[in-house]
Amino acid sequence: EVQVLESGGGLVQPGGSLRLSCAASEFTFSSFAMSWVRQAPGKGLEWVSMIGSSGNTYYADSVRGRFTISRDNPKNTLYLQMNSLRAEDTAVYYCAKRGTASLHYFDYWGQGSLVTVSS
Amino acid sequence: QTVLTQEPSFSVSPGGTVTLTCGLSSGSVSTNYYPSWYQQTPGQAPRTLIYNTNIRSSGVPDRFSGSILGNKAALTITGAQADDESDYYCVLYMGSGISVFGGGTKLTVL
Repeated sequence: EVQVLESGGGLVQPGGSLRLSCAASEFTFSSFAMSWVRQAPGKGLEWVSMIGSSGNTYYADSVRGRFTISRDNPKNTLYLQMNSLRAEDTAVYYCAKRGTASLHYFDYWGQGSLVTVSS
Repeated sequence: QTVLTQEPSFSVSPGGTVTLTCGLSSGSVSTNYYPSWYQQTPGQAPRTLIYNTNIRSSGVPDRFSGSILGNKAALTITGAQADDESDYYCVLYMGSGISVFGGGTKLTVL
């Protein structure tokens, strides 16, 4: 069964950095785009970033220039490097596998990793 | 700034039918935006229901269906059940790798 499992969340001070990881299994990781989606406490879902199977990267305006998405195909792992963190970045961060590339949707989701930005 | 509009809340009786919609702040939703729908219960990860406008994800009951209604994407639940009480989110693909979520609809079954 396809699985994606996030790790690396925690408490960080404003202006600090954190790196999230997402370990993928039971699918050909290198063949699929992957995304990060976040959810602030009590709020809706927000798309954050995507990396294509070829390595192209895309970002929401709210994180562009501060967050960097990357992937390590041999390790079947997705990353999100978060710098210059702000209180409004506090959220549960979900790793999501993209489905068939031409259909632009998320088909599998992790359980999420909580990032809290606070002094 | 692209904004997707969803009903903040909706109520349906058990066994009833409800249609949730997803509109664009400017323009019409079409299949070219590859609408998809996700269900989320509190404290849980989202679950994929519908993609490419009307394709049900694996394991999703056929009481869930997707369509384009007028200028909006729509999710219809026919024969609502108690465990359909959840938050529902639409997503549109805007091109250039960018996806946008709607604000979500909180569905109550009572």
